[in-house]
Amino acid sequence: GAVVSQHPSRVICKSGTSVKIECRSLDFQATTMFWYRQFPKQSLMLMATSNEGSKATYEQGVEKDKFLINHASLTLSTLTVTSAHPEDSSFYICSAGEDWEQETQYFGPGTRLLVL
Amino acid sequence: GQQLNQSPQSMFIQEGEDVSMNCTSSSIFNTWLWYKQEPGEGPVLLIALYKAGELTSNGRLTAQFGITRKDSFLNISASIPSDVGIYFCAGQSTTDSWGKLQFGAGTQVVVTP
Repeated sequence: GAVVSQHPSRVICKSGTSVKIECRSLDFQATTMFWYRQFPKQSLMLMATSNEGSKATYEQGVEKDKFLINHASLTLSTLTVTSAHPEDSSFYICSAGEDWEQETQYFGPGTRLLVL
Repeated sequence: GQQLNQSPQSMFIQEGEDVSMNCTSSSIFNTWLWYKQEPGEGPVLLIALYKAGELTSNGRLTAQFGITRKDSFLNISASIPSDVGIYFCAGQSTTDSWGKLQFGAGTQVVVTP
């Protein structure tokens, strides 16, 4: 199957700083990628749809100025958590699917964010 | 987003037993996907289903796309300790854009030797 990577795998930051998380499709191109957030013992919650060359589409209740998404190329999407606060601490996961088969989504390994 | 109804919530089984879990939806789906997630990792795709009635196997795993297109099940036969994890169903409804998935709440599987 297709491989999706994320970097960093873990990050600890101080409150008020910004953190950037990268999501890469390693062996395929992905016009669309998805960003999820997962709290302990819960399911995945879709935050936004990242579209290459255009603005991201955010789910209801997700602040676009708080969670900046940039899909700079067909293999890279970044999520920047701006002015992070402790309540932003969570597990962030991205997914991507090959353009010709987007209904099959492959997930990255996730990024654990801890805001102190 | 809208969640699918996945059951059971958790299962505690002995090694060698079979496991069965299912998901239902109020809307019609184009695709059903089953993932396994282990602690601190992203979900790993186990089986993808694309057609109503489709029955697909992946080793000891078998999943089916329900005829009504509103449900799917996953079976694990002869469970082993490494089957431990949380299993999620996910699907794409006919009204969602490509790639946008709805997720079940997950089934936690614990296998005891």
